[in-house]
Amino acid sequence: AQKVTQAQTEISVVEKEDVTLDCVYETRDTTYYLFWYKQPPSGELVFLIRRNSFDEQNEISGRYSWNFQKSTSSFNFTITASQVVDSAVYFCALRDNYGQNFVFGPGTRLSVLP
Amino acid sequence: DVKVTQSSRYLVKRTGEKVFLECVQDMDHENMFWYRQDPGLGLRLIYFSYDVKMKEKGDIPEGYSVSREKKERFSLILESASTNQTSMYLCASSFVGGRGTGELFFGEGSRLTVL
Repeated sequence: AQKVTQAQTEISVVEKEDVTLDCVYETRDTTYYLFWYKQPPSGELVFLIRRNSFDEQNEISGRYSWNFQKSTSSFNFTITASQVVDSAVYFCALRDNYGQNFVFGPGTRLSVLP
Repeated sequence: DVKVTQSSRYLVKRTGEKVFLECVQDMDHENMFWYRQDPGLGLRLIYFSYDVKMKEKGDIPEGYSVSREKKERFSLILESASTNQTSMYLCASSFVGGRGTGELFFGEGSRLTVL
């Protein structure tokens, strides 16, 4: 069975601090996909990034970066120089190869204080 | 612009009422999903559908049913609403397999309160 764990329930940081959100996953599949979504206070989930199991390259997009390590089954998300607009709930998710089994972690609520 | 539209943002119903939550997507996606979101529990899958008239149970299907008569529309039905079904309901859709970028596209959510 697939499982996603986000051990941090809530994190508070002060603006401009760096923050890392942890994600650990479990799967027996050799082909799978990992995702991060952001859910701002408005409620709609916004897709941030997808990674497939064969691509362990880290990715940077502006202030966001992602560290995928198959050896530790982790897909961590770092926000550099956090801003108040980054305040949201962030979900890590795992999908099988067919796209019919999407499993979400419980989410991490990030509060960025001015 | 791609879109998943849920029929109601907020609903208030009474115990025992039948509730319909409608979801429409305009992206020609094969897969459609209904999730329930509760604090501390993340998103839990109720049902999904990979084709018209096809449906599969998710993790928490009890008390719910679904209908997919057209590719673009996926309905969630609460036959007899109960207070423990008070929650945020999220509809999502995606392409099958590796088509597209593979992510789920979400609607804005429907917050249901059962009194």
